[in-house]
Amino acid sequence: GNSVTQMEGPVTLSEEAFLTINCTYTATGYPSLFWYVQYPGEGLQLLLKATKADDKGSNKGFEATYRKETTSFHLEKGSVQVSDSAVYFCALRRNSGYSTLTFGKGTMLLVSP
Amino acid sequence: DSGVTQTPKHLITATGQRVTLRCSPRSGDLSVYWYQQSLDQGLQFLIQYYNGEERAKGNILERFSAQQFPDLHSELNLSSLELGDSALYFCASSVDAGSNTEAFFGQGTRLTVV
Repeated sequence: GNSVTQMEGPVTLSEEAFLTINCTYTATGYPSLFWYVQYPGEGLQLLLKATKADDKGSNKGFEATYRKETTSFHLEKGSVQVSDSAVYFCALRRNSGYSTLTFGKGTMLLVSP
Repeated sequence: DSGVTQTPKHLITATGQRVTLRCSPRSGDLSVYWYQQSLDQGLQFLIQYYNGEERAKGNILERFSAQQFPDLHSELNLSSLELGDSALYFCASSVDAGSNTEAFFGQGTRLTVV
């Protein structure tokens, strides 16, 4: 079946530090890949997505590249801000028929000033 | 604001009771999904409806049921509640059930079973 594995948190960084959150997946075929963000007390928001191999999704300074050869979709940001503190979820969705999102367990990011 | 409305925001109830969680999808969205978020299990997919019909079922207990009404709102019914059912329940909606369509999430209903 489909599964997503994320690095465990919390990830604690100082403002302006470089961020990487690792995500690897197992899926049949070639799924679409997503990063969602959940700010405290809120629902999940789509951060970025990639629908095929070598695609790069980017938004708000975050980016992730769909790597088929390593089945990975690592999230990166060059300079984090305190406002980026949140829980980040990697997810996949099959590219055939009716499909639902399969999420990783989430990684909490804490950015201090 | 995602446009997905969930009510109530918080719910506290006793073991053995039954509750109903409600979700209004974004205008125009035909597909509704329910997820359970708990500390130990993470985000678990429960069930999906598309235009009133059940489309996919995940890790949904037999004590739980859901439906999507003709006006496309959805309700998740949880019965014979146990302490372990305490969690955040999210509803999401999308235009259709295709793999590339974005799912928009509501703010969730926090259920506490005491």
